Amino acid sequence: KAGVTQTPRYLIKTRGQQVTLSCSPISGHRSVSWYQQTPGQGLQFLFEYFSETQRNKGNFPGRFSGRQFSNSRSEMNVSTLELGDSALYLCASSATSSGAGETQYFGPGTRLLVL
Amino acid sequence: AQSVTQPDIHITVSEGASLELRCNYSYGATPYLFWYVQSPGQGLQLLLKYFSGDTLVQGIKGFEAEFKRSQSSFNLRKPSVHWSDAAEYFCAVASRGGFQKLVFGTGTRLLVSP
Repeated sequence: KAGVTQTPRYLIKTRGQQVTLSCSPISGHRSVSWYQQTPGQGLQFLFEYFSETQRNKGNFPGRFSGRQFSNSRSEMNVSTLELGDSALYLCASSATSSGAGETQYFGPGTRLLVL
Repeated sequence: AQSVTQPDIHITVSEGASLELRCNYSYGATPYLFWYVQSPGQGLQLLLKYFSGDTLVQGIKGFEAEFKRSQSSFNLRKPSVHWSDAAEYFCAVASRGGFQKLVFGTGTRLLVSP
């Protein structure tokens, strides 16, 4: 079974632009979570989607948004990019809605550089 | 507030030596506990997790972790380290009864010397 895939793997943008990152979960998985990883703040939870509904959201500004499609694929969008948005963005999927104990499987990440 | 502490930023271990990575958490109740590993340029791979029951948990790649409620700790161990174990290790917790949201520690980078 293929793992979690994220596209693109690398991205360079300039301040003020917007960006959309894509995540395809493991086949059959319905929950998708997003995390931001930076050297200064570490790994931080962005949001989680299940069956096209956002169930949980981290402490990020409204410039960060996401959505999930009926096939469980998810996208996250960052508008009006700032230098501090440079990070590795990780997507994780899990099989069911059983909650926090469900194992999350991570993709390789999208590395975003904002200039 | 929920928090996870990994006090060691870097650890260097000789190949073949034993390893222990420390993790302490601060939560209202015992959370779910996880250890993940991240190799350079890669995503996170789950090593093991603790939900309940036996406090000594076995994971992949020869790793184990021991949950100690009295110390709010979940330390990761390996009896003999291999050069391929060099990576960054993250301890994480998730609230019982909540949805998917992992709170991670700051990570410990493991270096393996020959």
